[in-house]
Amino acid sequence: DQQVKQNSPSLSVQEGRISILNCDYTNSMFDYFLWYKKYPAEGPTFLISISSIKDKNEDGRFTVFLNKSAKHLSLHIVPSQPGDSAVYFCAATYTGANSKLTFGKGITLSVRP
Amino acid sequence: EAGVAQSPRYKIIEKRQSVAFWCNPISGHATLYWYQQILGQGPKLLIQFQNNGVVDDSQLPKDRFSAERLKGVDSTLKIQPAKLEDSAVYLCASSLGGVSTEAFFGQGTRLTVV
Repeated sequence: DQQVKQNSPSLSVQEGRISILNCDYTNSMFDYFLWYKKYPAEGPTFLISISSIKDKNEDGRFTVFLNKSAKHLSLHIVPSQPGDSAVYFCAATYTGANSKLTFGKGITLSVRP
Repeated sequence: EAGVAQSPRYKIIEKRQSVAFWCNPISGHATLYWYQQILGQGPKLLIQFQNNGVVDDSQLPKDRFSAERLKGVDSTLKIQPAKLEDSAVYLCASSLGGVSTEAFFGQGTRLTVV
């Protein structure tokens, strides 16, 4: 049972345009969400996060939006750069003892020069 | 600040052999995680330590996998005996702890079982 779903396995965008990466979750207990970026042969690196008390969090070119009623979040990258080409994982967790991260399958983003 | 260190980077073994992976977390991080990432999938938590105690090993195949974190710092993950389906990248991560703290990952160990 996949609790965090990234239904699109890949996305290709032109340099300078917006990249929108989507993520859905099923567990209503999740109240904290993170995006990780992964280059080949490297471990995932933290990118941006959002708490369920917010509906938007922005950090430079990266913005994460959270729609709790739809159990949906999205990562916007504006403008997209070739160096953004990587696999992006959505992850979720919940407040409480022994909380752990549950990851989606990831989306491969390709930014074309 | 040094990141999470893992070794080896790559390992190829035959099925039924044993293998061990080592992880040194970021200094001061109380929580240590081992994840398994099969090709095309997201990382799956195998075991989570808080200092040297296990807080979650519900998805660890305990008949063949074992892990320890002596003295609450370094950790080793062992597979014995290995199966073909254990081929994956094994990621170690650490965090200060708490739900609002992101985990920092090592580069991983790519295991191939033939």
